[in-house]
Amino acid sequence: NAGVTQTPKFRVLKTGQSMTLLCAQDMNHEYMYWYRQDPGMGLRLIHYSVGEGTTAKGEVPDGYNVSRLKKQNFLLGLESAAPSQTSVYFCASIPQDRAVEQFFGPGTRLTVL
Amino acid sequence: GQSLEQPSEVTAVEGAIVQINCTYQTSGFYGLSWYQQHDGGAPTFLSYNALDGLEETGRFSSFLSRSDSYGYLLLQELQMKDSASYFCAVNQAGTALIFGKGTTLSVSS
Repeated sequence: NAGVTQTPKFRVLKTGQSMTLLCAQDMNHEYMYWYRQDPGMGLRLIHYSVGEGTTAKGEVPDGYNVSRLKKQNFLLGLESAAPSQTSVYFCASIPQDRAVEQFFGPGTRLTVL
Repeated sequence: GQSLEQPSEVTAVEGAIVQINCTYQTSGFYGLSWYQQHDGGAPTFLSYNALDGLEETGRFSSFLSRSDSYGYLLLQELQMKDSASYFCAVNQAGTALIFGKGTTLSVSS
């Protein structure tokens, strides 16, 4: 099992460009999450999904969109990137609600110039 | 609002014991988790407490007092490889983890 994987690992964008980050998990988990982590900060929830075809907003959703068309994939989109979105993005998953351990991907380091 | 407070930095020497405290103020609490993150890496799960008391996992232990909204992570027999950031996080049903800002632990020889 690969666990949780993220594509790409690094990316540099110019202000106004768009991109999609892909998160994939092969553990048949129901719940998936997108977090961002900024220096000196904990992880903050952007969006999450409790199952295929469902998404919901987290703590910091502005400027991002998500889709969960397939159970194993959770996509995070930036329609018009801004320097404030420079961050490390982590995807995570759990098998079902109230599961104790979240499984994290390796992260995507995004820089917006 | 929801908040978790933990010290920003802790330093210790190899072989020592260190305690990282966490106080929280959240809604929908059903447990307190601890995650470890090495520089540039993904957070990895260390420990979880749903009920009051101490949970022990090898060199690491975690404690929870729900009435005090307080928990701590205890690391014993510190090793250089324990140098990392440690996050407490509140588990909430139906949504996601709420993370503290993290404690950077530096272990020296």
